[in-house]
Order: sequence, then C-alpha cells, then structure tokens
Amino acid sequence: QLQLQESGPGLVKPSETLSLTCTVSGDSISNTNYYWGWIRQPPGKGLEWIGSIYYSGYTYYNPSLKSRVTISVDMSKNRFSLKLSSVTAADTAVYYCARLRYSGNDYAIFDYWGQGTLVTVSS
Amino acid sequence: DIQMTQSPSTLSASVGDRVTITCRASQSISRWLAWYQQKPGKAPNLLIYKASSLESGVPSRFSGSGSGTEFTLTISSLQPDDFATYYCQQYNSYSWTFGQGTKVEIK
Repeated sequence: QLQLQESGPGLVKPSETLSLTCTVSGDSISNTNYYWGWIRQPPGKGLEWIGSIYYSGYTYYNPSLKSRVTISVDMSKNRFSLKLSSVTAADTAVYYCARLRYSGNDYAIFDYWGQGTLVTVSS
Repeated sequence: DIQMTQSPSTLSASVGDRVTITCRASQSISRWLAWYQQKPGKAPNLLIYKASSLESGVPSRFSGSGSGTEFTLTISSLQPDDFATYYCQQYNSYSWTFGQGTKVEIK
C-alpha cells in the first residue's frame, strides 16, 4: 500500500525558507512510471500546483513560484523535498505531496496524496 | 498559462439528484483533464482522468466527458457520501492547473 507522509516545521517566519519532506513507502521513488509533486491549498481556498520532479532530477515548477522553489529527490531515503524561499503570509497553506502518474500520450494525474501538513507563515 | 474555470462555484442538491459540474479551459487541452473530490480536512481523491476514464475503485455513478476546452463531471444519482468539493485539473507541457472548485451542498 503506497503511503506518502509530509514532514517539516509547521511555523515559518516571514522572509525565511519553508522546507518540507515527503517520505514515500510502499513504492520506490525511482519507479520509472511515476513523477512526484507538491501541491498546496491556502485555508478555505483551492489547490495550487507548486512543482513536480522525476527521480532522475528533472524538475518542473509553477511559473508563478519558480523563482522561489526548489524540489529535490533523495533516492537513498526514498523521499523528495520542497524548499520555498522568502515566504510571506500568502504562503500559509496546507502542503500536500503526491505521486504523479504520467503517460506521455494520455494523462498526467496525481493519484496518491499525502495527508497534508499545515504551514503557517508568521512572526 | 492555461486557466481553468469551473461552474457553478456552489451547487445545492438532494440525495438522488443528477448533478453536473462544468470545467472550461482557456485554450484547448485535448483530453488532458482530471477530476478530484475533496472532503473537509482530507486530501483530494482522484475520480476521473483522461476526461472520461474512471479511476479504479471509484463508483460508476461518476462520469466525465468533453474534450478541447469544455468538460463535465456528472454524478448520476447523488449519494450522501458525495457532498464535497470537486476540482478539475489540466495538464499541458509539464504544467498543471486546477480549477477553483465546486462545492456540492445538501439542499
């Protein structure tokens, strides 16, 4: 049974860097059939894709966040990570990690999600 | 960037009703469209992908249709467990966008 678990600080100060890790169990992060991604949801609002990564290190970022986002993968620990720099209150959200099932011809969908972790940006 | 617009934003319905939610893309996305259900405090759950393919384990009362710029999610007979928020999601050139969501409420 595939499981994804987000971890990291729940409170980050403005202007600092938000760092989260997603630990994957039940599948290998180097499975060539999948990518991995981060999505966030501000309280009471909709979903926003942050970025995605392939095990080889190829990354794809939301253009609106690209200048502040870094996603990386650690195959030895079967996990991937998110760093978001220069955070403001607008970055307060529930952050989800997810598995991305991708077919070059048909679909690119988030089929398994972590439970999400609330990160609050406040001094 | 491709924008996704869902309508309505909120929908009030009764158990047993047929419910339809629409999602429009700002440009053609062929059939690169998925639908998710989200309940309060929970992660989204994949329902439909490739516009009309039902994800394994999802009840058959859920169906999707459309291509290009206009898509629909239909619940043929609304069940108590279906009261939730629904999101569409598009994929284009290694970029993903979600609609703003449609909340299905009890009438």
